[in-house]
Amino acid sequence: EAGVAQSPRYKIIEKRQSVAFWCNPISGHATLYWYQQILGQGPKLLIQFQNNGVVDDSQLPKDRFSAERLKGVDSTLKIQPAKLEDSAVYLCASSLALTGYGYTFGSGTRLTVV
Amino acid sequence: GDSVTQMEGPVTLSEEAFLTINCTYTATGYPSLFWYVQYPGEGLQLLLKATKADDKGSNKGFEATYRKETTSFHLEKGSVQVSDSAVYFCALSARIEDTGRRALTFGSGTRLQVQP
Repeated sequence: EAGVAQSPRYKIIEKRQSVAFWCNPISGHATLYWYQQILGQGPKLLIQFQNNGVVDDSQLPKDRFSAERLKGVDSTLKIQPAKLEDSAVYLCASSLALTGYGYTFGSGTRLTVV
Repeated sequence: GDSVTQMEGPVTLSEEAFLTINCTYTATGYPSLFWYVQYPGEGLQLLLKATKADDKGSNKGFEATYRKETTSFHLEKGSVQVSDSAVYFCALSARIEDTGRRALTFGSGTRLQVQP
């Protein structure tokens, strides 16, 4: 079974620039999550999708972050404009349903904002 | 809100030593509890889980018991190996009544370094 695919693996941008991350979940997984993991901290949930609908985006900084999951499969997370404090690893995860079990995480995208 | 507190690291042990990493939680209702591991350069992997009080999760020689009375889920291993060197995250998944969702809340992680 293929895992959760994320790209790019690394990204370096200047502050105030924009950036986008892509995630392809495991085939058949209806639930998709984006997490932000700042160095030395645990992952923090940014947004959760069930198929192509948003279940929870309460911790997403909506003034600069946006995410979409068209057709209920792939997902894109965008930051515009980026700030220095956005430097982190952005993790995508998927699961079969809204059970919280069976999470599979991608390897993440490491973003550095300079 | 929900939260997970882990002991700070790094934890440095010699090979074959006994390991305990403490984890306590705060949550409404009856959460499920998890330990995840992140090896250097790799993604998060589920190590073990427990879904109700007094359950014991186990995998690869690691164990953790869901203690509702002390709201704890401490990770233990009787004899660690160099290959166990990694960052360990305690996490919970709590039901939210309005949406019925379960999303993971993580602790800050504990780095384990095992020396030969």
